[in-house]
Amino acid sequence: GENVEQHPSTLSVQEGDSAVIKCTYSDSASNYFPWYKQELGKGPQLIIDIRSNVGEKKDQRIAVTLNKTAKHFSLHITETQPEDSAVYFCAAIPTYKYIFGTGTRLKVLA
Amino acid sequence: DGGITQSPKYLFRKEGQNVTLSCEQNLNHDAMYWYRQDPGQGLRLIYYSQIVNDFQKGDIAEGYSVSREKKESFPLTVTSAQKNPTAFYLCASNAGGSDTQYFGPGTRLTVL
Repeated sequence: GENVEQHPSTLSVQEGDSAVIKCTYSDSASNYFPWYKQELGKGPQLIIDIRSNVGEKKDQRIAVTLNKTAKHFSLHITETQPEDSAVYFCAAIPTYKYIFGTGTRLKVLA
Repeated sequence: DGGITQSPKYLFRKEGQNVTLSCEQNLNHDAMYWYRQDPGQGLRLIYYSQIVNDFQKGDIAEGYSVSREKKESFPLTVTSAQKNPTAFYLCASNAGGSDTQYFGPGTRLTVL
């Protein structure tokens, strides 16, 4: 069935270093790939998204890359800061339904 | 401010009781969704509604019910038939023709 695998489940980086989170999806009909950041006790907030006709998108320190052939997409955060510490979720959308990854807990160590 | 509001933030329920979680949006979005989130897991879809007076079951609808009488409101009732209701519940919405879902702040339900 449809699923999205997300790795790693936890990630610790030193402040200022880069962080990379990877997702793999199964449904080749997926054409929209958002990334959400969820802080403790709050709802997920959209931080960046990409569509299937684009290979890469950047927004300041955040970038997302998509490899449709391999069905991989990744979130890249550069120059990490303590406020980047949160749980990050990827999702793939083949139709209306979101298929979420299981989340990555990112800890940025000061 | 435009956005999605959920109430209450925390809810405690005794076993055997039904409880209703509120979700309201003033974004004029057509579609609304309810998700359940358990610790260390992704979000699982409970119910969704793409237009007023219409809704469909998601992946884990058993023990839950919804209504969509108004465009801006999509309440979720957790019934006594839901065997393990303790979780964080998230409401989301998106505009017609848009893929992007926006989430509310969530309601944490605890069964005592």
